[in-house]
Amino acid sequence: QKEVEQNSGPLSVPEGAIASLNCTYSDRGSQSFFWYRQYSGKSPELIMFIYSNGDKEDGRFTAQLNKASQYVSLLIRDSQPSDSATYLCAVIAMGASYGKLTFGQGTILTVHP
Amino acid sequence: GAGVSQTPSNKVTEKGKYVELRCDPISGHTALYWYRQSLGQGPEFLIYFQGTGAADDSGLPNDRFFAVRPEGSVSTLKIQRTERGDSAVYLCASSFQRTGSSGKQFFGPGTRLTVL
Repeated sequence: QKEVEQNSGPLSVPEGAIASLNCTYSDRGSQSFFWYRQYSGKSPELIMFIYSNGDKEDGRFTAQLNKASQYVSLLIRDSQPSDSATYLCAVIAMGASYGKLTFGQGTILTVHP
Repeated sequence: GAGVSQTPSNKVTEKGKYVELRCDPISGHTALYWYRQSLGQGPEFLIYFQGTGAADDSGLPNDRFFAVRPEGSVSTLKIQRTERGDSAVYLCASSFQRTGSSGKQFFGPGTRLTVL
């Protein structure tokens, strides 16, 4: 079992729709959760982080964390073609050294006009 | 510069050769990380530095890989006797070293290593 799992997609949504990206993790003691966006040929860029159960909103992005079910999700409202990218879920596991991120394989999102 | 910089951007080498990859973190970031990313996969942790010392090198795949950060700023990842399986994009990231900031890492553009 991978430590962090994501559906690799591709996920295709029409412009203006809500894109929902999901991630599950195996270490129940994980404390910190991050979403990175990676455009093709570019490096990852942090877009959201969440530490507590519930929702956290930032503009068109909402991160949702459910520690009991060990999943974290990212919602993108009013999706735009510029949101087309790979979205990487990352976790800092319990007992992991400071800042040691464990990434999922990423979900490819395509927003079509 | 304002961001993390990495050189070279591309490196092509032959199997068995030695390579060095350089990373210059954001000024003021004391934590520095190396990852590598293969096509279609997420970044894979290699090593993490606090200041000059390697705080966690558990991700280095074998003893052909070594990294240094002698003055607590620039870091060099060194790969001896390269193998074709070492081909990947090597990413460097840096962050502030304080609670709550460790996962907020800023990545450099990466070095694409190709071993022929």
